[in-house]
Amino acid sequence: AQSVTQPDIHITVSEGASLELRCNYSYGATPYLFWYVQSPGQGLQLLLKYFSGDTLVQGIKGFEAEFKRSQSSFNLRKPSVHWSDAAEYFCAASNRDDKIIFGKGTRLHILP
Amino acid sequence: NAGVTQTPKFRVLKTGQSMTLLCAQDMNHEYMYWYRQDPGMGLRLIHYSVGEGTTAKGEVPDGYNVSRLKKQNFLLGLESAAPSQTSVYFCASSKTYTGAEQFFGPGTRLTVL
Repeated sequence: AQSVTQPDIHITVSEGASLELRCNYSYGATPYLFWYVQSPGQGLQLLLKYFSGDTLVQGIKGFEAEFKRSQSSFNLRKPSVHWSDAAEYFCAASNRDDKIIFGKGTRLHILP
Repeated sequence: NAGVTQTPKFRVLKTGQSMTLLCAQDMNHEYMYWYRQDPGMGLRLIHYSVGEGTTAKGEVPDGYNVSRLKKQNFLLGLESAAPSQTSVYFCASSKTYTGAEQFFGPGTRLTVL
């Protein structure tokens, strides 16, 4: 069955430190891949998406993600986090003729 | 543009009561979705619509009904609310079905006592 896995439920990093959030997918072929962010009390907002081509994708708010076919991964990164990055992050995937599947989310905590 | 709006923002129901959640989008999107979000469960698709007058079941449709009488509106109904339906409900819309960004509303927090 198709699935999206985010291994880390919670991640805590210090402000100014680098960040990597992990995402693995299980699909027969390479799906469309997405990262969304949900700030407290808000709906989800798209950070970035990958369809094909360059495996390093740039998004909004200084985030980027790298697609690695050999590892079935699409990890989200940011070189230096800000307190305002504290939120929940969702990885998602969809193939070309089916609905999107969301991971269970990773909650990011920022230490001052 | 308001994007995706949801009404109401909060609601408390007693078991057995009914209610309707309203979702409206002003982006002329064909596709609309209702999700529920529960702690540790991520987002689960309840129902979706691929166009005006159409609806389809998602992952967790039991206990819910939907209608899409107008392209811009997608209604989610609970005919007889149960405590298991306590959740945060999100509506979303997209231009196409796959590969397109979904735009989310701010959510409705529903508590069923």
